[in-house]
Amino acid sequence: AQKITQTQPGMFVQEKEAVTLDCTYDTSDPSYGLFWYKQPSSGEMIFLIYQGSYDQQNATEGRYSLNFQKARKSANLVISASQLGDSAMYFCAMSQTQGGSEKLVFGKGMKLTVNP
Amino acid sequence: DTGVSQDPRHKITKRGQNVTFRCDPISEHNRLYWYRQTLGQGPEFLTYFQNEAQLEKSRLLSDRFSAERPKGSFSTLEIQRTEQGDSAMYLCASSFSGTSGSRTDTQYFGPGTRLTVL
Repeated sequence: AQKITQTQPGMFVQEKEAVTLDCTYDTSDPSYGLFWYKQPSSGEMIFLIYQGSYDQQNATEGRYSLNFQKARKSANLVISASQLGDSAMYFCAMSQTQGGSEKLVFGKGMKLTVNP
Repeated sequence: DTGVSQDPRHKITKRGQNVTFRCDPISEHNRLYWYRQTLGQGPEFLTYFQNEAQLEKSRLLSDRFSAERPKGSFSTLEIQRTEQGDSAMYLCASSFSGTSGSRTDTQYFGPGTRLTVL
């Protein structure tokens, strides 16, 4: 069975600094996708970034990058130049295939607070 | 391009009552998913549809839960004889699947329906 582990319950970062959010995963499938979502207090899950298990390069989307270490089964999210609006819950998730069309398995999430 | 919408946003009901939630996916998306999220946890998968066909149901989906997507567009999730343990945020997501060479079929979520069972 697939499992996502996010062990950091909460983190604090100063505005404009970079921050790394940890995610480790467990699966026996060779093909899978890894996702990060942001959930502000309003409740909506906002897609941030995706990494396929066969992708050779780490994914980047604007200020977000994914540090994918396949051998260690980790998929950490790096947010550069934090902004006050980045304060939210962050969830790591994985799908059974690279496409992500099947169900997503989520971690428990972690709360990021950006201080001015 | 409008996103995924859900209605209602909040629902308060008494134990034993039936409730129904609606989800309207992004118009060109053929897959629709339901998840449940309780306080302090990540979303948990309930069920998903491709067009009108329900392809998978979680064991979390007891007999009191039923989901439909009759015309392959909007979906409804009904909970019969609600229990206090049903109190949660119910999230709907949609994606497009089937394009050859598609890098990812990212699931996009709606704002959720927060259910409180008294």
